[in-house]
Amino acid sequence: EAGVTQFPSHSVIEKGQTVTLRCDPISGHDNLYWYRRVMGKEIKFLLHFVKESKQDESGMPNNRFLAERTGGTYSTLKVQPAELEDSGVYFCASSQDPRLAGGQETQYFGPGTRLLVL
Amino acid sequence: GESVGLHLPTLSVQEGDNSIINCAYSNSASDYFIWYKQESGKGPQFIIDIRSNMDKRQGQRVTVLLNKTVKHLSLQIAATQPGDSAVYFCAENIWGAQKLVFGQGTRLTINP
Repeated sequence: EAGVTQFPSHSVIEKGQTVTLRCDPISGHDNLYWYRRVMGKEIKFLLHFVKESKQDESGMPNNRFLAERTGGTYSTLKVQPAELEDSGVYFCASSQDPRLAGGQETQYFGPGTRLLVL
Repeated sequence: GESVGLHLPTLSVQEGDNSIINCAYSNSASDYFIWYKQESGKGPQFIIDIRSNMDKRQGQRVTVLLNKTVKHLSLQIAATQPGDSAVYFCAENIWGAQKLVFGQGTRLTINP
């Protein structure tokens, strides 16, 4: 079974440009999460989709970040315009329905996209 | 070797020794805890989890201990191997919220 995949693996852009990150969750996983780790800090939650609906977007830093999951399959995270402080590693994770997992769900992470804003 | 989590983010141990990585979590309402391992260039990989109704759980060469009284979590790795070198993160989850709250991470280095 394929794991969570993310594209691109690396992205280097200039301040003010736009970048779109993509995440393909594990097939059949309704839950999709975005996290990010900025340099020297812990991994922090950004938002959570259940199928195509945003369940929790309390971690989104500001309105320069837009996440979508049309059709409830893959998800994109767009940063527009990018700022220097957006540099970091963006992780996507997915999990199955907790009701199928006995009430708890394991979140499986992708390899991340390393974003550098110059 | 033993770490104190946020105050000692690096732990070096000899190959074959046991390692103990500690984590202090923040929210007394958290009821699910997970340890992840992250190798260079990869995403966090699930190692072991524990629910709040347990105080110990064992896996293959790994044991997680949970002390809810002092909000402390530890990961014990037996007979460490070179492949255990990585950054280890603890994460907590609050029932109904589903999002994970991660600790800072501890880098484990195995010396030959």
